[in-house]
Amino acid sequence: EAGVAQSPRYKIIEKRQSVAFWCNPISGHATLYWYQQILGQGPKLLIQFQNNGVVDDSQLPKDRFSAERLKGVDSTLKIQPAKLEDSAVYLCASSLGGGTGSGYGYTFGSGTRLTVV
Amino acid sequence: KNQVEQSPQSLIILEGKNCTLQCNYTVSPFSNLRWYKQDTGRGPVSLTIMTFSENTKSNGRYTATLDADTKQSSLHITASQLSDSASYICVVSAWGAGNMLTFGGGTRLMVKP
Repeated sequence: EAGVAQSPRYKIIEKRQSVAFWCNPISGHATLYWYQQILGQGPKLLIQFQNNGVVDDSQLPKDRFSAERLKGVDSTLKIQPAKLEDSAVYLCASSLGGGTGSGYGYTFGSGTRLTVV
Repeated sequence: KNQVEQSPQSLIILEGKNCTLQCNYTVSPFSNLRWYKQDTGRGPVSLTIMTFSENTKSNGRYTATLDADTKQSSLHITASQLSDSASYICVVSAWGAGNMLTFGGGTRLMVKP
């Protein structure tokens, strides 16, 4: 089975520029998550989609971050304008169902490493 | 507040040696606990998943234990290899709709020849 695909793998931008990341989840996975992982820390959830609807975006800095999953399949995460503290790995994950209680079918992509200079 | 604490933060061992990583959690209602391995620059990869009724689960040289009473888990790595060098993240899931995952900060393991 194909895994969660993310692109690009790496991105370097200057502060105040814009950047977008793309994620294609595992086929059939209804739920998609975007995480921010700062070096040396565990991932922090930014936003969770169930199909094309937002379930949780409480930790998404909405003044500069936005995400969409228009057709309930792939998703994009955008940062505009970027700040130095946005330097991190942005991970996408997908799972079969809406709740994470079962624990199965939850798969991470390889991530996009963003460096803001 | 749900929390997952891991120890040690970092660990250096010699190739061939065993090691044990610890995870303590306060997550309720508990659903399952997972250990992930994350190579530098890569996404986390699942090693084990344990539910409330499971005390131990193995995946090759990795063996995870769970004590639901004391809310502790450990990940034991046997006969370490250079390729085991990575971060190991403990993740605890709570029952409920939406995302109920709580991540630990990880243990960074370095295996030296």
